[in-house]
Amino acid sequence: DAKTTQPPSMDCAEGRAANLPCNHSTISGNEYVYWYRQIHSQGPQYIIHGLKNNETNEMASLIITEDRKSSTLILPHATLRDTAVYYCIVRPPISSGSARQLTFGSGTQLTVLP
Amino acid sequence: DTAVSQTPKYLVTQMGNDKSIKCEQNLGHDTMYWYKQDSKKFLKIMFSYNNKELIINETVPNRFSPKSPDKAHLNLHINSLELGDSAVYFCASSHRLDEQFFGPGTRLTVL
Repeated sequence: DAKTTQPPSMDCAEGRAANLPCNHSTISGNEYVYWYRQIHSQGPQYIIHGLKNNETNEMASLIITEDRKSSTLILPHATLRDTAVYYCIVRPPISSGSARQLTFGSGTQLTVLP
Repeated sequence: DTAVSQTPKYLVTQMGNDKSIKCEQNLGHDTMYWYKQDSKKFLKIMFSYNNKELIINETVPNRFSPKSPDKAHLNLHINSLELGDSAVYFCASSHRLDEQFFGPGTRLTVL
């Protein structure tokens, strides 16, 4: 399975955009990039996922580089409630027996400051 | 409406005991999971299960066993509890390989 590298921590001012990077240089062509977050003492929460194209939903945007070796999760207007650990996950291809099993790394602790 | 629920929220028990954690989802999903988050906050998959297939992470001791009475429930049974089993256990569910929805977690403390 492709591994991911994320900075251990980041700060962001409330109301500003939070840009969380993720390196996945060994990703293969049919592996998706998923982002989850875990607010303190809660279960992880799905944010967004993508394969090649940039994606946007009501929570965030996902920018994947053309070579797919890295991606950035963007929270356009961070609030205090966005303070959480953010996990970037490369999911094995659907054809793989381990496609259901997400492998969480250590993630990035994002702290949104007032 | 709670999508994925777990009981109990906290569980304190003695070494050697057998305990169960219950999980229920009302999302109509066909696949359920158990994860373990240890004291260092690493979140690891333990099991994934649908009505056709149980996939077990090879690192999970056989003292742990998932039991599914129906598609909406996946309970976790733990035999002969050890100190190292202390952790937060999360249940999750998904429709096929779509995004997973997690429960609030069960904090297990083994004394």
